Amino acid sequence: SQQGEEDPQALSIQEGENATMNCSYKTSINNLQWYRQNSGRGLVHLILIRSNEREKHSGRLRVTLDTSKKSSSLLITASRAADTASYFCATDPMDSSYKLIFGSGTRLLVRP
Amino acid sequence: DAGVIQSPRHEVTEMGQEVTLRCKPISGHDYLFWYRQTMMRGLELLIYFNNNVPIDDSGMPEDRFSAKMPNASFSTLKIQPSEPRDSAVYFCASSWVMGQGLSYTFGSGTRLTVV
Repeated sequence: SQQGEEDPQALSIQEGENATMNCSYKTSINNLQWYRQNSGRGLVHLILIRSNEREKHSGRLRVTLDTSKKSSSLLITASRAADTASYFCATDPMDSSYKLIFGSGTRLLVRP
Repeated sequence: DAGVIQSPRHEVTEMGQEVTLRCKPISGHDYLFWYRQTMMRGLELLIYFNNNVPIDDSGMPEDRFSAKMPNASFSTLKIQPSEPRDSAVYFCASSWVMGQGLSYTFGSGTRLTVV
């Protein structure tokens, strides 16, 4: 069962533009994480935001979390062709299960 | 550290054959997860271990699937007998519990094709 649902499913932008991806989830969480997956590769951890945080930055990445709406967004600023990948949100549920639940992902294409 | 190592990278097998996928987690990580990824179903958690003990195998599709972790540095996922619908990319990930929660490190995956 998937906890997170991402929107949009696919996004195509021009290099230099910003890309915004959204994630909604269903249950209470300890934290929410974003991962990137390049074609044919494993997922790579990008950033983690705790449930008591509202915004977090890492380089060109900005993540926001709204626990009242059970939603998060990932913003990639000044996108590059190398950012082309699928992006997944993953939630760490507050059920002490220590297992992440991944969303369906957003496929991002950055055109040079 | 070389990261999470999975083998083989690609496996093509005939229906009915036994398939064994292997994973070496990062040293010191005490959680190990097996995921399956398909276009239709996305990423599905199959089973996970803590300190080599299976904690939750509710995602294992059926009795044809089994997983073991005989020691902290090795795990296997076995499918016997394999079927075409098992074709997918299988990922292993390892983690340890930090103060702020889990963060996974994934292997590069095994692409399984059952013909």
